[in-house]
Amino acid sequence: AQSVAQPEDQVNVAEGNPLTVKCTYSVSGNPYLFWYVQYPNRGLQFLLKYITGDNLVKGSYGFEAEFNKSQTSFHLKKPSALVSDSALYFCAVRDPPNDYKLSFGAGTTVTVRA
Amino acid sequence: NAGVTQTPKFQVLKTGQSMTLQCAQDMNHEYMSWYRQDPGMGLRLIHYSVGAGITDQGEVPNGYNVSRSTTEDFPLRLLSAAPSQTSVYFCASSYLGQGGTEAFFGQGTRLTVV
Repeated sequence: AQSVAQPEDQVNVAEGNPLTVKCTYSVSGNPYLFWYVQYPNRGLQFLLKYITGDNLVKGSYGFEAEFNKSQTSFHLKKPSALVSDSALYFCAVRDPPNDYKLSFGAGTTVTVRA
Repeated sequence: NAGVTQTPKFQVLKTGQSMTLQCAQDMNHEYMSWYRQDPGMGLRLIHYSVGAGITDQGEVPNGYNVSRSTTEDFPLRLLSAAPSQTSVYFCASSYLGQGGTEAFFGQGTRLTVV
């Protein structure tokens, strides 16, 4: 069965510093991996995805993520965080063709202080 | 393009009442799903569907029923509401073709069961 772990409930960084949000996964095949962001009282917005190809993927708002197959990780990164990046971040995985459902981690709350 | 539309946005139910949360998408997506979001629990999958006439259970299906008679609609039925079903509910849809597109989310339904 597929699963996603986000080992940190909260990440706190100062504005201008690098931001990393960690995600590890478990699948039986080759994963499709996704990052989403949720602002208060809003739905989820897609940030980026890894399907195949280059291990470093770039997404919206200056975010990027690196797929590491040997470590089964897909950490989200931003070189210079902004106060407006403060939100709840979710990692998600799909395991086609074994399993088409989309499974989410528990989420990581990011707070960027000015 | 409307995307994914959920109704209602807010609902208060009494214990034992039944209701249906509506979800519709206009993107011709094969995959549709329902999640509930509770503090510290992330997004937990209730039910999902990979096409009209096909549904399957997720992590937390008890107390909920779904059907998929058309590609566009995926209603979630609460059979006999319980306080434990107080939550925010999200509907999501995506393509399942090669490339595995990201899921699009509705704005959510905040349900309170008293």
